[in-house]
Amino acid sequence: DIVMIQSPLSLPVTPGEPASISCRSSQSLLFSDGKHYLEWYLQKPGRSPQVLIYLVSNRAAGVPDRFSGSGSGTDFTLKISRVEAEDVGVYYCMQALHAPYTFGQGTKLEIK
Amino acid sequence: QVQLQESGPGLVKPSESLSLTCTVSGGSISSFHWSWIRQPAGKRLEWVGRIFASGRTDYNPSLSSRVIMSVDTSKNQISLNLSSVTAADTAVYYCAKTVVPSVLGAFDIWGQGTMVTVSS
Repeated sequence: DIVMIQSPLSLPVTPGEPASISCRSSQSLLFSDGKHYLEWYLQKPGRSPQVLIYLVSNRAAGVPDRFSGSGSGTDFTLKISRVEAEDVGVYYCMQALHAPYTFGQGTKLEIK
Repeated sequence: QVQLQESGPGLVKPSESLSLTCTVSGGSISSFHWSWIRQPAGKRLEWVGRIFASGRTDYNPSLSSRVIMSVDTSKNQISLNLSSVTAADTAVYYCAKTVVPSVLGAFDIWGQGTMVTVSS
């Protein structure tokens, strides 16, 4: 299985400040079609996860443009340009390259 | 808009089987692929398996000897059966619409989840 490792696991952020989460995979997520199958999900408190980013840097429908994703190979980053109160929750990276899909441990973003 | 609603017993005894149902509304179950994903309290999400529109299934190797997924097109439902459960199977279980290949996000629609506790 592909192992996904995130850091940090806890991320206190002041509203209006930027935030960054790293995700590393145990093998490259590059497929033969030239795409990296790395996704980001946000699980808000008491809610089901929702997709934020797919194929490293593509925002899902309705996701604000303050969210951005980058990276390649085995190293990826999710950035929030200016954190808002509604961004609190647990962020998970996930590889969709090969079954079984695997998730990172999650990064809990909280407001200072 | 497709919506998903999981349902199940809530409490299952160790060594027994867990059976969950996901009811799909707003779309035909046979047009899409579906996954079950679970989340033990305070732990990461774990993909349990998927069933394609064709009926083919893929299971997480860590659970494959105990898992069976199926669909009932007459009821627009997806089912999960997990046998020989232990306390380690205690989790919130989600069903999710699955996009393969994942060019728009693998799990674009999720149910609200159903809590299953394994305890005597």
